[in-house]
Amino acid sequence: DGGITQSPKYLFRKEGQNVTLSCEQNLNHDAMYWYRQDPGQGLRLIYYSQIVNDFQKGDIAEGYSVSREKKESFPLTVTSAQKNPTAFYLCASSLPSGANVLTFGAGSRLTVL
Amino acid sequence: GQNIDQPTEMTATEGAIVQINCTYQTSGFNGLFWYQQHAGEAPTFLSYNVLDGLEEKGRFSSFLSRSKGYSYLLLKELQMKDSASYLCALTGANNLFFGTGTRLTVIP
Repeated sequence: DGGITQSPKYLFRKEGQNVTLSCEQNLNHDAMYWYRQDPGQGLRLIYYSQIVNDFQKGDIAEGYSVSREKKESFPLTVTSAQKNPTAFYLCASSLPSGANVLTFGAGSRLTVL
Repeated sequence: GQNIDQPTEMTATEGAIVQINCTYQTSGFNGLFWYQQHAGEAPTFLSYNVLDGLEEKGRFSSFLSRSKGYSYLLLKELQMKDSASYLCALTGANNLFFGTGTRLTVIP
C-alpha cells in the first residue's frame, strides 16, 4: 500500500541533543513537507521540498534542518538551537505544488526532558 | 499574508447537523481545503473548493464564497466517530496554510 511512514512515533530527548525524525513515502510524490503542531495552534510549516536536492524554509525553520537526497525521503533534524522543540511533527507529501491534496504521515511526538 | 479564523470548539448531538465556519483573508486565493484530524493522528482530506458554491460528498458538504472570504463544512447525520478536529486550509503558492482547527465533540 502506498503511503507515508514516519518514525519514531514517540521520541524523548534531553536538552542539548539533536534528534532526527524520519519520513519516507512511496507515493512517487515530488513535493514533501514538514509541519509542527502545538495545542491550540494550527499546523505551521517548517520546511518544504518541491524536488530532490532542493528545499525551502517555511514559517518556523529556525532550529531545524532537512535534506532531500532521495525522492522518497525527507528527514527532519531538530537541533539544540530549537528553543521549544516539544511538539507533534507531521510529514506530508503531494504531487507538484499547487492545489494538490497533501497526504500526511501518522506523526512523531517529540518530548524534551 | 494569510489569516484564517475558525471557532475553537463546538458540541453537537448524534444524528444532528452541524456547520463549522471558516473565514479567511489572503492576498491571493487559489483554493480552500478541509481536513479531519482525530486526536494524535494524521489529518485526512475531506474536501476542496476553488469555485463558489456547495460541494457535496456523502454526509459532508463544503461551501465557499470567495467574495466574502467565507467557507463552511456541513456535517449531516452526525456519528460519534465524527468527533475530531476540522482544519480549514488555504492553498498557497507552494504549500497549505492551516487555521487552528475546530474541535467537534459529538454527544449521544
